[in-house]
Amino acid sequence: GQNIDQPTEMTATEGAIVQINCTYQTSGFNGLFWYQQHAGEAPTFLSYNVLDGLEEKGRFSSFLSRSKGYSYLLLKELQMKDSASYLCAVRDSNYQLIWGAGTKLIIKP
Amino acid sequence: ETGVTQTPRHLVMGMTNKKSLKCEQHLGHNAMYWYKQSAKKPLELMFVYSLEERVENNSVPSRFSPECPNSSHLFLHLHTLQPEDSALYLCASSQDWGQGALGTEAFFGQGTRLTVV
Repeated sequence: GQNIDQPTEMTATEGAIVQINCTYQTSGFNGLFWYQQHAGEAPTFLSYNVLDGLEEKGRFSSFLSRSKGYSYLLLKELQMKDSASYLCAVRDSNYQLIWGAGTKLIIKP
Repeated sequence: ETGVTQTPRHLVMGMTNKKSLKCEQHLGHNAMYWYKQSAKKPLELMFVYSLEERVENNSVPSRFSPECPNSSHLFLHLHTLQPEDSALYLCASSQDWGQGALGTEAFFGQGTRLTVV
């Protein structure tokens, strides 16, 4: 079967750095997405990786290793507004999006 | 308006009621989706429409009935639901479906929080 694994919950301190990991086992690979979802709000697109390496976008970076079936989202200079759930999704060989259950990130002052 | 808009934001219905969820996108996208989001579970894809034709139906019970009258609007008609159907129902759109969607992201509405009593 297809599977995406992410930690259920993480806690970090304002101003610090946090890394949210995502491992996947899917039938084929056509890209990996990270979304942010604040409570009661729409998921919003953060990043897309299709080749190995690091994609940087401001305070957020996303890394991909296709050989290891692994990605992480790195958030720097954490702000209280970064408290949200972070969803990892992989597009498989049938172009379907396979979703993880999300990681709830709690930022403490 | 821009983006993807869903109404209502909250809905409480009895098991014998009939109600409909509405989704509207103003992005000029060709594909629209219904997802179910339950607590601590992955998003479950329910239905996909591409150019107003249903292209995906992931073994969803018949008490959920989608309708796509045009490329900008998507409905989910609900009848005789069960308490376990209580969840957040998300609508999304993307430029295209399938191989045409490679490299493009989906845009989500804020969802309808459905409670079945």
